[in-house]
Amino acid sequence: NAGVTQTPKFQVLKTGQSMTLQCAQDMNHNSMYWYRQDPGMGLRLIYYSASEGTTDKGEVPNGYNVSRLNKREFSLRLESAAPSQTSVYFCASSPDRGRGYTFGSGTRLTVV
Amino acid sequence: RKEVEQDPGPFNVPEGATVAFNCTYSNSASQSFFWYRQDCRKEPKLLMSVYSSGNEDGRFTAQLNRASQYISLLIRDSKLSDSATYLCVINSGYSTLTFGKGTMLLVSP
Repeated sequence: NAGVTQTPKFQVLKTGQSMTLQCAQDMNHNSMYWYRQDPGMGLRLIYYSASEGTTDKGEVPNGYNVSRLNKREFSLRLESAAPSQTSVYFCASSPDRGRGYTFGSGTRLTVV
Repeated sequence: RKEVEQDPGPFNVPEGATVAFNCTYSNSASQSFFWYRQDCRKEPKLLMSVYSSGNEDGRFTAQLNRASQYISLLIRDSKLSDSATYLCVINSGYSTLTFGKGTMLLVSP
């Protein structure tokens, strides 16, 4: 049972570089989410997709874009990485909006 | 008032102790409630849902007090393996869940 799979697990970027974080779930969940977690800040929602074909901004969307490629996959793109985007990024999915989430194991991103 | 508030701790307790955490929420229309557990450098994992009548899962008991707008988590007979951060999570009727910043528990031998 893979659940939610995130790649890569670790990444170091230089300021201004771009990259895409990948997330896939095999639980046939409708909703998917991207969070970032910083010390003392808790989990903050970046973007979410309530269902295939829809995406919405969360609390901290600036500097990010997302694509819900299909029901299984939800990617997060950093177009021009900044040191402030150094964080741990978690993808999550749920059967429907507002129900319990299953998280991926996270991506630790450092921007230098 | 923040939407979900938790005492960050840490709560330091010896093995075998009973410990309780509270979490307050601001939206009286909140519909569902959860406790998640997050180990150091790991992803959050669902510990238990919280039901209106209260519910128990082994050594863990969750309570909801709608009148005072808080939920609680009680851990009995603490184990070393219970050391983690416990996140209070609320569904306020919006499209997403709201996470508290967590309460850290450290269980010592």
